Amino acid sequence: QSALTQPPSASGSPGQSVTISCTGTSSDVGGYNYVSWYQQQPGKAPKLMIYEFNKRPSGVPDRFSGSKSGNTASLTVSGLQAEDEADYYCSSYAGSNKRVFGGGTKLSVL
Amino acid sequence: EVQLVESGGDLVQPGRSLRLSCAASGFTFDNYGMHWVRQAPGKGLEWVSGISWNGGSIAYGDSVKGRFTISRDNAKNSLYLQMNSLRSEDTALYYCAKDFGSSRAFDIWGQGTMVTVSS
Repeated sequence: QSALTQPPSASGSPGQSVTISCTGTSSDVGGYNYVSWYQQQPGKAPKLMIYEFNKRPSGVPDRFSGSKSGNTASLTVSGLQAEDEADYYCSSYAGSNKRVFGGGTKLSVL
Repeated sequence: EVQLVESGGDLVQPGRSLRLSCAASGFTFDNYGMHWVRQAPGKGLEWVSGISWNGGSIAYGDSVKGRFTISRDNAKNSLYLQMNSLRSEDTALYYCAKDFGSSRAFDIWGQGTMVTVSS
């Protein structure tokens, strides 16, 4: 049950787009469409941004989108805003009611 | 208001035990699976354990299997985590989180309770 692999950091200027990858295996990301993404602001609990790899919960801006190909899922933030600066974590179902998280990516808005 | 409130975190010596609680309100607790997720200081999220709506399906992360036990009391709208044989590496902020329907995602999180394992 190894953690999913995310880049430690990503950055972009306001208005630009940035994509964060999340790589797992055929036992988690590649085996199920149950990939979710979370935004965590400093000192706050995580917030669900994407579920089932490309669906947005109510209230999440459509600037946030998700995709998946094989064992890699991606989160794209378009039209970057200062408020998007945060840590982002991916998570995947791993069978038998288990979950696994990625190591997290710190997104900086330059 | 949908809410999860954790409690029970404390400073404890290595090898000792601790029981965490999570009180749920604002939703039909016994309709949803629940989980514990932890975050060591300055580190990322780590899934700890999950339990189905009726307790019939339980799973643990490799790092806590055999030491931690998850349970729930639907009559009390509460989730628990019994932590035994605590180690320094268990030091973390422990969140409880609610399943988002059948999506295997977590849509509601508590604010966390801090567990510090140190002599």
